[in-house]
Amino acid sequence: GQQVMQIPQYQHVQEGEDFTTYCNSSTTLSNIQWYKQRPGGHPVFLIQLVKSGEVKKQKRLTFQFGEAKKNSSLHITATQTTDVGTYFCAGRGSNDYKLSFGAGTTVTVRA
Amino acid sequence: DAGVIQSPRHEVTEMGQEVTLRCKPISGHNSLFWYRQTMMRGLELLIYFNNNVPIDDSGMPEDRFSAKMPNASFSTLKIQPSEPRDSAVYFCASSWWGFSGRVEETQYFGPGTRLLVL
Repeated sequence: GQQVMQIPQYQHVQEGEDFTTYCNSSTTLSNIQWYKQRPGGHPVFLIQLVKSGEVKKQKRLTFQFGEAKKNSSLHITATQTTDVGTYFCAGRGSNDYKLSFGAGTTVTVRA
Repeated sequence: DAGVIQSPRHEVTEMGQEVTLRCKPISGHNSLFWYRQTMMRGLELLIYFNNNVPIDDSGMPEDRFSAKMPNASFSTLKIQPSEPRDSAVYFCASSWWGFSGRVEETQYFGPGTRLLVL
């Protein structure tokens, strides 16, 4: 079945620095979603990408969908303490009816 | 809209006891998902319902787990008998998804039930 892999598993960032987390699929995806889970909270939808090469921005967050629709990235600039949490990508294959979630990247921020 | 509602929010029980987790999806959504989250295994999909019908229960760990969705506004996940290794956070999520291939399928998660089996 389809698998969605995320790297890195953990990201320790100095406040103010940038970082990127990556998501890779073994198969072509029809779409990819990103979720954020704060410590002690539940996953909350951030964004969905559908088109090949699509780039979307939300303030300091930049999301990209690869040309082959097999990978995606989330780039955060000028990291703040509010960015702490686990970021999940979730993708659905062209012939799948369900999303497959990656293992997540857990981000901690050093003030 | 109140979002996805789960109850109880916390449950502590003893090994061997029956545990029932409840979920009320967002009105109008036709898909419901039960997930389990642990540090070791991450977020695991247990079962997926579409229009109240179980579509995929391949993630259900074993026969001790069962899930029902008697109507569009209510679902339960039951563990009987419970074991310490069942301790986890259980999330219910709902979405709208159509067989026509609609891509707007954002999953809305409930706050979760934190289960501890002693």
